[in-house]
Amino acid sequence: DAGITQSPRHKVTETGTPVTLRCHQTENHRYMYWYRQDPGHGLRLIHYSYGVKDTDKGEVSDGYSVSRSKTEDFLLTLESATSSQTSVYFCAIRDRTHETQYFGPGTRLLVL
Amino acid sequence: QQQVKQSPQSLIVQKGGISIINCAYENTAFDYFPWYQQFPGKGPALLIAIRPDVSEKKEGRFTISFNKSAKQFSLHIMDSQPGDSATYFCAASTGETSGSRLTFGEGTQLTVNP
Repeated sequence: DAGITQSPRHKVTETGTPVTLRCHQTENHRYMYWYRQDPGHGLRLIHYSYGVKDTDKGEVSDGYSVSRSKTEDFLLTLESATSSQTSVYFCAIRDRTHETQYFGPGTRLLVL
Repeated sequence: QQQVKQSPQSLIVQKGGISIINCAYENTAFDYFPWYQQFPGKGPALLIAIRPDVSEKKEGRFTISFNKSAKQFSLHIMDSQPGDSATYFCAASTGETSGSRLTFGEGTQLTVNP
């Protein structure tokens, strides 16, 4: 599992509420990524980080923000959750010597 | 927009048969092509990957075939087993200058019948 944990693993929330998902890694990887997975769309990149306080947008970043104040933690925030953000969210890290990305176990989010 | 197109959406194969999943891409700057395997309730796991300087890579029962001129690559699973039943994703990236961002195909749900 490349030392990646995600919390919470499951969450149910209501439209309009803020939600923060956490990704934690133990192996000091520089690159970290947040994806969402929806049927028929594969995995789509939301945001990624290439170092502490260094982040950039992916293809579906609207409605999401991220923060990385220390190497091991990458936070994804939905400022005001909408039903279209119901999805499974995966965090990934990139191996430092290759381009391989390793994924965490995922967080299943339901926005009612 | 960078895209990777994957087919078929679903595939049913008999045990012992060959499973073939195809992907096509548009961006000629892609230089790394991994395949991921995902079981229900789990994160995707790297299965095998290839770079465009080779036309084929084999690891056990899994083979990637790569056709640079056609901008296509495929995954072949030989002697398919029920334990191979999973969702498979192809992906592509353009390297570290763009953050090694992966663009994924839509996924193929493989079912191997015993």
